[in-house]
Amino acid sequence: AQSVTQLGSHVSVSEGALVLLRCNYSSSVPPYLFWYVQYPNQGLQLLLKYTSAATLVKGINGFEAEFKKSETSFHLTKPSAHMSDAAEYFCAVSRRGGGYNKLIFGAGTRLAVHP
Amino acid sequence: SAVISQKPSRDICQRGTSLTIQCQVDSQVTMMFWYRQQPGQSLTLIATANQGSEATYESGFVIDKFPISRPNLTFSTLTVSNMSPEDSSIYLCSVGGVSGREDTQYFGPGTRLTVL
Repeated sequence: AQSVTQLGSHVSVSEGALVLLRCNYSSSVPPYLFWYVQYPNQGLQLLLKYTSAATLVKGINGFEAEFKKSETSFHLTKPSAHMSDAAEYFCAVSRRGGGYNKLIFGAGTRLAVHP
Repeated sequence: SAVISQKPSRDICQRGTSLTIQCQVDSQVTMMFWYRQQPGQSLTLIATANQGSEATYESGFVIDKFPISRPNLTFSTLTVSNMSPEDSSIYLCSVGGVSGREDTQYFGPGTRLTVL
């Protein structure tokens, strides 16, 4: 079975500060990992994904995430927060390979950015 | 990625009625899915919409409540039947198999449903 835990349902940072959103996963098989962002009153947008050997993944809007197998983590970071980063962020996991596999979402982390 | 549209974007419905939500993709895709996002919650998969056959439902979701159609590789509908206030949620369509990549899902903008 697979599961995702996002530590911190709410994170607040100052504009220009480092953004760190935590995601830990549980999977008995090699995983694919994803970060999605949901802006107010919108659907989900794919930020980045880990599906290959490159453990440091760069996404859109200056975000990146590092897959750490030993820590079963896939934390999302951005060096400098912008007001427009305020949104809900979801980490998700699926099984690697074999065509389609079910996507399991974490509970989400709401990021607030203040001046 | 793919351009995904949903209709309606939002609706307010009366208890006991039904609403059909449409999902349209701008290219043929292998997989289409329907999710529910209850207020303040994460996403829960309702079912996989299979082209030309019955949808595959997740535990806790049944065809009588959430009938799904997928007549071709670019279109699907989800009906929320006999609605109650507990059905008030955002319903999202997603697609997989864009450009042959089945490992990634892309989401539509969602339909915000309020049931009175």
